[in-house]
Amino acid sequence: QKEVEQNSGPLSVPEGAIASLNCTYSDRVSQSFFWYRQYSGKSPELIMSIYSNGDKEDGRFTAQLNKASQYVSLLIRDSQPSDSATYLCAVTAQGGSEKLVFGKGTKLTVNP
Amino acid sequence: ETGVTQTPRHLVMGMTNKKSLKCEQHLGHNAMYWYKQSAKKPLELMFVYNFKEQTENNSVPSRFSPECPNSSHLFLHLHTLQPEDSALYLCASSLTAGGPPDNEQFFGPGTRLTVL
Repeated sequence: QKEVEQNSGPLSVPEGAIASLNCTYSDRVSQSFFWYRQYSGKSPELIMSIYSNGDKEDGRFTAQLNKASQYVSLLIRDSQPSDSATYLCAVTAQGGSEKLVFGKGTKLTVNP
Repeated sequence: ETGVTQTPRHLVMGMTNKKSLKCEQHLGHNAMYWYKQSAKKPLELMFVYNFKEQTENNSVPSRFSPECPNSSHLFLHLHTLQPEDSALYLCASSLTAGGPPDNEQFFGPGTRLTVL
C-alpha cells in the first residue's frame, strides 16, 4: 500500500527559528519528491522538488532526501510568520512518475 | 490569464443535478490532472490526462466523468453526486507525465463543491 506519512502537527516555532518538517514514504521505487505549501483556503503551491539523495537548497528552504531510509524533510531557515501554512509532502507512486501520493500535511505556525 | 485557472470557484448542487467543472492551463503543458481534497484526508489523485489521452483513473465512481478536448482544457462532469462528494476539487498540470523535472505539477485555485 502506498503511504506518505507526515506529523500532522501543529508545529509551532518562533520567528527567526528553523522549522523542520519530516515525511516518510513506503514505496521504495518512488523517484520524485515534492514539498507543497498550502495556505488556508488556497490551493497547494510547489516550493521544492528533489530527485536524488542529499540536500537541495533554494533560498531559506532546504530539502533533504534519504532514499535508503525512505525519508524526506524540509527545513525552513529564519522562519517568518508568512511561512505559517500547511506543508504537504508528495512522492511519485509505482507505475508512473505522474502519479503523486500526498501526505496529510503538517500545519506550521510561526509566532512573531 | 496566467497559470492554471478553474471555474466556478464555488458550486452548490443537489444530488440530482448535472454540473461541470472547468480547468484551463496557460503554461504550455501537456499533462492535466484532477484531484479531490476532503477535510482531514490527503489530496487524492482522480484522473490523469497526457497529451489528451487518459492515462489514469484512480477507481473513481462513474458519477464523475472527465473530458480533455485538448492539452489546455480539462473538464469534470458531475451527475447524481452524493453529499460525501463535497470537497475541494483541484486541477493541476505538468509539462508532461514523464520523468522529472517534467512531472512537476502546478495547481489551480480549486472549486469548492457542496452537494446538498
